Amino acid sequence: QKEVEQNSGPLSVPEGAIASLNCTYSDRGSQSFFWYRQYSGKSPELIMFIYSNGDKEDGRFTAQLNKASQYVSLLIRDSQPSDSATYLCAVKPNNNDMRFGAGTRLTVKP
Amino acid sequence: DAGVIQSPRHEVTEMGQEVTLRCKPISGHNSLFWYRQTMMRGLELLIYFNNNVPIDDSGMPEDRFSAKMPNASFSTLKIQPSEPRDSAVYFCASSPLMAGGSPLHFGNGTRLTVT
Repeated sequence: QKEVEQNSGPLSVPEGAIASLNCTYSDRGSQSFFWYRQYSGKSPELIMFIYSNGDKEDGRFTAQLNKASQYVSLLIRDSQPSDSATYLCAVKPNNNDMRFGAGTRLTVKP
Repeated sequence: DAGVIQSPRHEVTEMGQEVTLRCKPISGHNSLFWYRQTMMRGLELLIYFNNNVPIDDSGMPEDRFSAKMPNASFSTLKIQPSEPRDSAVYFCASSPLMAGGSPLHFGNGTRLTVT
C-alpha cells in the first residue's frame, strides 16, 4: 500500500464549477497535511495546509481533513482555466519528512 | 528572500560520468530535503537532513547516490557513475524544523538527462 494515494485523473471540469480532489494516507499517526500545485515544468508550490479535523478555507480553496477515515480533500470553487495543473497531496508522518501522492491532473475547460 | 536555489537548472551528461547537483536552502531553515520526480514514479523522497545531519536516506536508490550537507547553507547530491535511468528532475526543498510540521519550500529543480 502506498503511503499517500490519489486518483491520477485526469479530472476535467468546466470553468466556474467546483473541482474536488481526494487523497488517502496510510500512517494513522500523521499530523500534518498539505496540498501543492504544480504547473508543467515548474516546481511544486504550496496551496494550503491543514492540521485539524474539519474544513479550512482560503479564498476559493477549501481543505477538508478526516483523520478517522485517513482522508484529505481539496475543493476548488469557481474553477478557472489558470487552475489547470497537477495537484499533489502531501503528508508528514512524523513531523520531519514529507511524503507525496502521485498527483491528480486537473483541467479546467473554458 | 531568495528562496531555495538549485544549480544547475539543466544537466546533460553521458552514462558513467559523475554528476553533482547543488542546493542552497532558505536562510534559517534547518531541514533540507532531496526529491526526484519522474512521470512513472512521481515525487520520491531521496534523503533529508535536520540541522545538517542526515536523518533518513532510505530513499536513496543505490550506492551510486550520495548526499552531503557540510553546513547550514549548502548541500550536494552526487551520482557516480550516472546511468540513463537516473534521468529525472531533482528537487531540493527546505523548511523550518518545527513541532506540528511546516510546509516545504521547493527550488526550481535540476533537470538531469543521462545519455
